Amino acid sequence: DAGITQSPRYKITETGRQVTLMCHQTWSHSYMFWYRQDLGHGLRLIYYSAAADITDKGEVPDGYVVSRSKTENFPLTLESATRSQTSVYFCASSAPRTNPQETQYFGPGTRLLVL
Amino acid sequence: GESVGLHLPTLSVQEGDNSIINCAYSNSASDYFIWYKQESGKGPQFIIDIRSNMDKRQGQRVTVLLNKTVKHLSLQIAATQPGDSAVYFCAENSGNKLVFGAGTILRVKS
Repeated sequence: DAGITQSPRYKITETGRQVTLMCHQTWSHSYMFWYRQDLGHGLRLIYYSAAADITDKGEVPDGYVVSRSKTENFPLTLESATRSQTSVYFCASSAPRTNPQETQYFGPGTRLLVL
Repeated sequence: GESVGLHLPTLSVQEGDNSIINCAYSNSASDYFIWYKQESGKGPQFIIDIRSNMDKRQGQRVTVLLNKTVKHLSLQIAATQPGDSAVYFCAENSGNKLVFGAGTILRVKS
């Protein structure tokens, strides 16, 4: 059971380039999330999705775009990368019961360096 | 506890001792709380959760305590092992989203 996977695991890019980070889950979870993790800030929510074709902004959405054409995939795109977007990015998913934000399961992360 | 500036609080314990990691949450309306463990180079891993209608929940070697009066959450790890060394995060369900604390580093000395 693969669970939740992210690719690439490491990425170096240059300022101004477009970068897409992939996230894939095999649990058929309806909710998926993108976070960035920076020292001193913990995990901050970028975007989330309640189902295919439904996405919503989180705490720090500026400079990012998401899509959810299939339940199992939730790609995150940096349209024009900036140095401030150097971070570790985590994808997560959850299966709602009475509360849609219950227990999120995280992928291994993508380490992105913007030069 | 929560982070101060760029430095995470660190708890150092001797192998075999019990560990207590604390977390203060912000929203008195939060009804669900989770503890995550994050090892170096990996994603956060679910440890244990608790709802606001409980004040204590036990798992295998771990116990979460919730004090709603002072908005405080703690994670107790019994007989701490070297494999417990990691960063521990609390998260609260606030406004229908999970809000994470900055984390506490647990170092286990052998």
